[in-house]
Amino acid sequence: DQQVKQNSPSLSVQEGRISILNCDYTNSMFDYFLWYKKYPAEGPTFLISISSIKDKNEDGRFTVFLNKSAKHLSLHIVPSQPGDSAVYFCAASAVRGAGTYKYIFGTGTRLKVLA
Amino acid sequence: GAGVSQSPRYKVAKRGQDVALRCDPISGHVSLFWYQQALGQGPEFLTYFQNEAQLDKSGLPSDRFFAERPEGSVSTLKIQRTQQEDSAVYLCASSIRNEQFFGPGTRLTVL
Repeated sequence: DQQVKQNSPSLSVQEGRISILNCDYTNSMFDYFLWYKKYPAEGPTFLISISSIKDKNEDGRFTVFLNKSAKHLSLHIVPSQPGDSAVYFCAASAVRGAGTYKYIFGTGTRLKVLA
Repeated sequence: GAGVSQSPRYKVAKRGQDVALRCDPISGHVSLFWYQQALGQGPEFLTYFQNEAQLDKSGLPSDRFFAERPEGSVSTLKIQRTQQEDSAVYLCASSIRNEQFFGPGTRLTVL
């Protein structure tokens, strides 16, 4: 049973437009959420995170929105650039003690930004 | 500073062979995680260390998988008698607080 779902395996967006990547989760114990970006032959790179006490976190062109009642989060990239083309993974965790514990990942969404 | 490094980057093993995968975490990071990523999937948790203590190994798929971190720094993931279904990318991550920093992974192919 997948606890974190990314239902769109791929997304194509024109350069300069907004990219919206979606993620749903089922476990209400999750209280920390992250987005990672992955290029081929590299490990996932941390992009942005959000704690469950917030509903929005912004970092430059990247904004993550969290809707706890719907168990849904989304990543907005504005404006999208060709260098953003990568696979994006949503991850969820539970904060314990000094920090987060194991991550549960979605299956990823491949974003292609067209020049 | 240096990130998480893993070696080897690629490993080809014949079925039944033993392999050892190494992870060098970011200096000072207390927590270390191993994940397995099959083709087209997200990373899946294998095991977790806090310093040298292995606090969770619930994700290890079988008793052929063994991980250690004897001095609380470098970690090794060992797979005995490899099977074709072990073919995957093995990712190591270290963290000091909430964000985990991943290495480039070791791609294991079992023939």
